Amino acid sequence: AQTVTQSQPEMSVQEAETVTLSCTYDTSESDYYLFWYKQPPSRQMILVIRQEAYKQQNATENRFSVNFQKAAKSFSLKISDSQLGDAAMYFCAYRTPQGGSEKLVFGKGTKLTVNP
Amino acid sequence: DAGITQSPRHKVTETGTPVTLRCHQTENHRYMYWYRQDPGHGLRLIHYSYGVKDTDKGEVSDGYSVSRSKTEDFLLTLESATSSQTSVYFCAISEGVEQETQYFGPGTRLLVL
Repeated sequence: AQTVTQSQPEMSVQEAETVTLSCTYDTSESDYYLFWYKQPPSRQMILVIRQEAYKQQNATENRFSVNFQKAAKSFSLKISDSQLGDAAMYFCAYRTPQGGSEKLVFGKGTKLTVNP
Repeated sequence: DAGITQSPRHKVTETGTPVTLRCHQTENHRYMYWYRQDPGHGLRLIHYSYGVKDTDKGEVSDGYSVSRSKTEDFLLTLESATSSQTSVYFCAISEGVEQETQYFGPGTRLLVL
């Protein structure tokens, strides 16, 4: 069974600095998708970034980028120029591409604090 | 914004009573999902639907049932609520060529006393 591990329950960063959140996963599949979701205090789950495993290039969305290491099964999220609004829980998630009904498997989350 | 609403947003109920949560979407998505979120966990899948009247179980389906009589509505029912079902419930839809990307509704906070 696929599992997703986020080894950092909590992280903190100074405003305007850069922080990296770690995620590792376990799968025997060769083709899959990975995601980072943000959950602010409002509890809304917001998609931050996605990565297709067959793509070599790391995904980037504005200040958010990933470091995808397929052989190591690692998928870290880098937040550059951190802002107060980035404070939230961040969840890493994995999904196989088989069919449309496969679930997302989530890690337990990393709580990010941004200090002014 | 994937056009997903959930109702109610907050509910307090008593053990043993039936509860129905509603998820409504406006963009004709085929796939819909119900997850629960508990402290120390990410989201865990309860049930999902891949079309009208087509549903299947997720990993934590015991004590829950679902129905989908219209594309836009996906209902989650707790037949007889228990305190262990106190949680935050999220509905989601999926998009993408392989329906791989899920977008979530705002969530429903349920407290079972």
